[in-house]
Amino acid sequence: DTAVSQTPKYLVTQMGNDKSIKCEQNLGHDTMYWYKQDSKKFLKIMFSYNNKELIINETVPNRFSPKSPDKAHLNLHINSLELGDSAVYFCASSNPGGRSYEQYFGPGTRLTVT
Amino acid sequence: GESVGLHLPTLSVQEGDNSIINCAYSNSASDYFIWYKQESGKGPQFIIDIRSNMDKRQGQRVTVLLNKTVKHLSLQIAATQPGDSAVYFCAEMRRMNTGNQFYFGTGTSLTVIP
Repeated sequence: DTAVSQTPKYLVTQMGNDKSIKCEQNLGHDTMYWYKQDSKKFLKIMFSYNNKELIINETVPNRFSPKSPDKAHLNLHINSLELGDSAVYFCASSNPGGRSYEQYFGPGTRLTVT
Repeated sequence: GESVGLHLPTLSVQEGDNSIINCAYSNSASDYFIWYKQESGKGPQFIIDIRSNMDKRQGQRVTVLLNKTVKHLSLQIAATQPGDSAVYFCAEMRRMNTGNQFYFGTGTSLTVIP
């Protein structure tokens, strides 16, 4: 069973379009995250959700909006896509409070904006 | 073989040799650290973690060393195998009022030569 899943795996779109990436975790975790990984493999956190509430909102453009319909899902919606949005986006989840703060990552969504 | 983290993002080692991957972190208040392994086309995967009250922790074929004085972290892989080829990230956790936030290093690409 896949712990953290993302769809789609690849997304190619034109500038100016609006797109969404979906994420689901079946681990029962309380916290979910979105990360952006650029072409140099640098990973940067974008958002974090805990029990459906945004608890960390990094300084990302407001064209990006996370939406969490329930604890198991955290979707990422992007408006007016720009060339610089091209990257791999990773969803992750964790259950902080125990011994480990390990984050479980999804397989990533490679977004290409043309 | 040994990397110097940010200044040498690639490391090549012969199969069977030991590997050392280094990481410098920035915040002296960080009290928890994780090493992740990212294989091509996949999301990062947890390897080992360490709290700041420890200076060494061992796992299966891996050892993490923490030097808080110089804010340095290293991952040692014993008897490196071809399956160890991947990008390795260290991540430091900072406790914020809004929740725990992870900051990732730039990563080191390890290539194991058969």
